[in-house]
Amino acid sequence: GAVVSQHPSRVICKSGTSVKIECRSLDFQATTMFWYRQFPKQSLMLMATSNEGSKATYEQGVEKDKFLINHASLTLSTLTVTSAHPEDSSFYICSARPSTEAGNQPQHFGDGTRLSIL
Amino acid sequence: AQTVTQSQPEMSVQEAETVTLSCTYDTSESDYYLFWYKQPPSRQMILVIRQEAYKQQNATENRFSVNFQKAAKSFSLKISDSQLGDAAMYFCAYRSGSSGYALNFGKGTSLLVTP
Repeated sequence: GAVVSQHPSRVICKSGTSVKIECRSLDFQATTMFWYRQFPKQSLMLMATSNEGSKATYEQGVEKDKFLINHASLTLSTLTVTSAHPEDSSFYICSARPSTEAGNQPQHFGDGTRLSIL
Repeated sequence: AQTVTQSQPEMSVQEAETVTLSCTYDTSESDYYLFWYKQPPSRQMILVIRQEAYKQQNATENRFSVNFQKAAKSFSLKISDSQLGDAAMYFCAYRSGSSGYALNFGKGTSLLVTP
């Protein structure tokens, strides 16, 4: 089956640090990838839609300068949390949609990244 | 914007029994897809079952089945013969069939399975 690798799985760093999270589709090409954020015991909230070769589309209320998304190839999207602060601590999870599959096919999720800012 | 409502923050079921998790949604679209995802403590998102809105027949996957009531905009999940491994957060999700492929999730239901 389709596999999405997300790295790192856990990050602990100091306030002010920038953190890059990678989302990689291992055995398929993904024109579109999605970044979600999940606070403890809450639901997944869509942050942005990452489109290969073009700018990401951010959801309302998500700071694009804070959460930089790059989708430079058909198998890799990155989310960079710039100058992270404790309030950015959360669980970030990506998903990818295979380019060749029909619209009714589900997305494939990475295993998520737990970000803790001290 | 579409909203997905899961009105049961927590549910409990005894092993081998049946439990139903409720989900309602609000949309003006006619073309859409509905999903149930399971999130165990590992926080991995696992697809349980999906339903295309244009299909009248309810989807089933082994012990998991849905009751899809399109007019009522209801999409409940029934778990039969519950197992200890079914304990997890369950999220109902909506995806438009015409505008993008992002998922809109409900707040989730925490399912506890007791021996």
